[in-house]
Amino acid sequence: QKEVEQNSGPLSVPEGAIASLNCTYSDRGSQSFFWYRQYSGKSPELIMFIYSNGDKEDGRFTAQLNKASQYVSLLIRDSQPSDSATYLCAVIALRFYFGTGTSLTVIP
Amino acid sequence: EAQVTQNPRYLITVTGKKLTVTCSQNMNHEYMSWYRQDPGLGLRQIYYSMNVEVTDKGDVPEGYKVSRKEKRNFPLILESPSPNQTSLYFCASRDPMETQYFGPGTRLLVL
Repeated sequence: QKEVEQNSGPLSVPEGAIASLNCTYSDRGSQSFFWYRQYSGKSPELIMFIYSNGDKEDGRFTAQLNKASQYVSLLIRDSQPSDSATYLCAVIALRFYFGTGTSLTVIP
Repeated sequence: EAQVTQNPRYLITVTGKKLTVTCSQNMNHEYMSWYRQDPGLGLRQIYYSMNVEVTDKGDVPEGYKVSRKEKRNFPLILESPSPNQTSLYFCASRDPMETQYFGPGTRLLVL
């Protein structure tokens, strides 16, 4: 079983819609959770991190964590074409583990 | 500017010819690591280092070596590259809040 699992997509949403990206993890001891965005051919860049159960909002982005269900999600409100990228979920369980990423396309 | 640098950015080599990919960070981070990224497999950690002279294996260490003689540098060494090491490689450093900062990547092709 992989440490971190994501639906690879691709996920397509129209411009202005809400994009919902999901991630599950296997280690109940995981304490820190991250979402990275990666444009094609570029390095991953951090969007958000979350440590506590519940929601954390930063501009158009909201991270949601449910430790009981071992589930973390990222909502992107008012999606823009510039949000088109691969989104990587990562958790720390002794080490950093990344999911394989979900490809998001925002259609103008 | 706070950054992680890698060199070279692109490299084509032949099987068995030793190569080194350099990585340097200017943020005084103690923790550094190397990843490879392959389609469908995501980012997989090769080696990591928690401080100078302290290194440990990640998920896919076979065929790679690292050293950490200075805090800012963490080179990745392929003693005898093989075609299955063709990949996109990222170096990263991590701050005390556990945020990782990635270098620009090195695209390696082993013929």
